[in-house]
Amino acid sequence: DAGVIQSPRHEVTEMGQEVTLRCKPISGHDYLFWYRQTMMRGLELLIYFNNNVPIDDSGMPEDRFSAKMPNASFSTLKIQPSEPRDSAVYFCASRQGSSGNTIYFGEGSWLTVV
Amino acid sequence: AQKITQTQPGMFVQEKEAVTLDCTYDTSDPSYGLFWYKQPSSGEMIFLIYQGSYDQQNATEGRYSLNFQKARKSANLVISASQLGDSAMYFCAMRSTAAGNKLTFGGGTRVLVKP
Repeated sequence: DAGVIQSPRHEVTEMGQEVTLRCKPISGHDYLFWYRQTMMRGLELLIYFNNNVPIDDSGMPEDRFSAKMPNASFSTLKIQPSEPRDSAVYFCASRQGSSGNTIYFGEGSWLTVV
Repeated sequence: AQKITQTQPGMFVQEKEAVTLDCTYDTSDPSYGLFWYKQPSSGEMIFLIYQGSYDQQNATEGRYSLNFQKARKSANLVISASQLGDSAMYFCAMRSTAAGNKLTFGGGTRVLVKP
């Protein structure tokens, strides 16, 4: 079975540009999570969805960040405008809520803002 | 609020020996789950093992076992017969119903297996 698929794997962009990260969760999973990992702050939950509906976005840093899940097989995390402090690894993860407890992670999107 | 603490920033282990990674947690929710993930240098997060708060027995998955001491609020990971491929960062994480099913991570422990 395919795991959580993220794109792009690596992105380098200039400050002020818009960045869009994409995620395809595991088929049948009804929870989707966006995490950010930095050296200073470790792994932080940004937002999570249940059945395509945002449940908790309290971890989203500021208005420059937005996330959408238009359908069960796709989500985006957008940063506009990007800043150097947004440089991090962004992970998407998914879980099936009805059974099992494991949250499966994608390989991450490594973002560098210069 | 829930909190996960990993007090060992890094450790060395000799190949073929066992290693224990410490994890303590804090939550007021009686229903919670504890996870361990491995993050090799390539960056992906790999699920290793899960322990539910109501599970009577300690979880085991191959060479991984979880030493769950509920009264002490600890969930240490034991890796037996270490292999060079075990060199990685290891994260302990917790999810509780009260916290809205969010997974909260500890700061991680870096393990380096020596040949």
